[in-house]
Amino acid sequence: QSALTQPASVAGSPGQSITISCTGTSSDIGSYNLVSWYQQYPGKVPKLIIYEAFKRPSGVSDRFSGSKSGNTASLTIFGLQAEDEAEYYCCSYVGSGTFGVVFGGGTKLTVL
Amino acid sequence: QITLKESGPTLVKPTQTLTLTCTFSGFSLSTNEMGVGWIRQPPGKALEWLALIYWDDDKRYSPSLRNRLTITKDTSKDQVVLTMTNLDPIDTATYYCAYSPRYSGTYYPNAFHVWGQGTVVTVSS
Repeated sequence: QSALTQPASVAGSPGQSITISCTGTSSDIGSYNLVSWYQQYPGKVPKLIIYEAFKRPSGVSDRFSGSKSGNTASLTIFGLQAEDEAEYYCCSYVGSGTFGVVFGGGTKLTVL
Repeated sequence: QITLKESGPTLVKPTQTLTLTCTFSGFSLSTNEMGVGWIRQPPGKALEWLALIYWDDDKRYSPSLRNRLTITKDTSKDQVVLTMTNLDPIDTATYYCAYSPRYSGTYYPNAFHVWGQGTVVTVSS
């Protein structure tokens, strides 16, 4: 299974909204809503911010929103804040092969 | 509150076998749908999923590493053990375990909800 495709970097100014895409195939994102997103600060542990494509864990800001269309999932951050500057990873169940999961290559978000 | 902690050697020689232990609390691997996964991250690189194990001993492995990995659980000790054979310097990474229940009522893996702090493993002679 190949890694999900994410842009290497995105940038935005405080207050703006940005969207990070995560492209897979019909064997993963295209067939299941089992997409999750993680936020990771440098040197820190990844944190779950979106699961089952759209759901937010308790305590995660509602500025984070997940969506999906076809083989592509997206993470949108509304009202960008300096503290949002981090690396973001998507992950999806893969309904073929070993029936496990696969991560994206990560996207570095810079808040200008 | 769910917590997990990884333990194991920090330095391993090439060709050796790595054994990592994940000790957790706040849930039981004898409870329906519960699961634990392993993920690694080489320095400066992306996350890579390695393996998953569930309450019913259902096991899933990364296709690229499945010949080198074994995941087991010890329910009585609340531990999950990952072994990786034939280590190479490219296996140098931070290794995380994470709490990962299956998608409710299915056999589908789901998100990694809670992560351990990670353990750094260096492969070098």
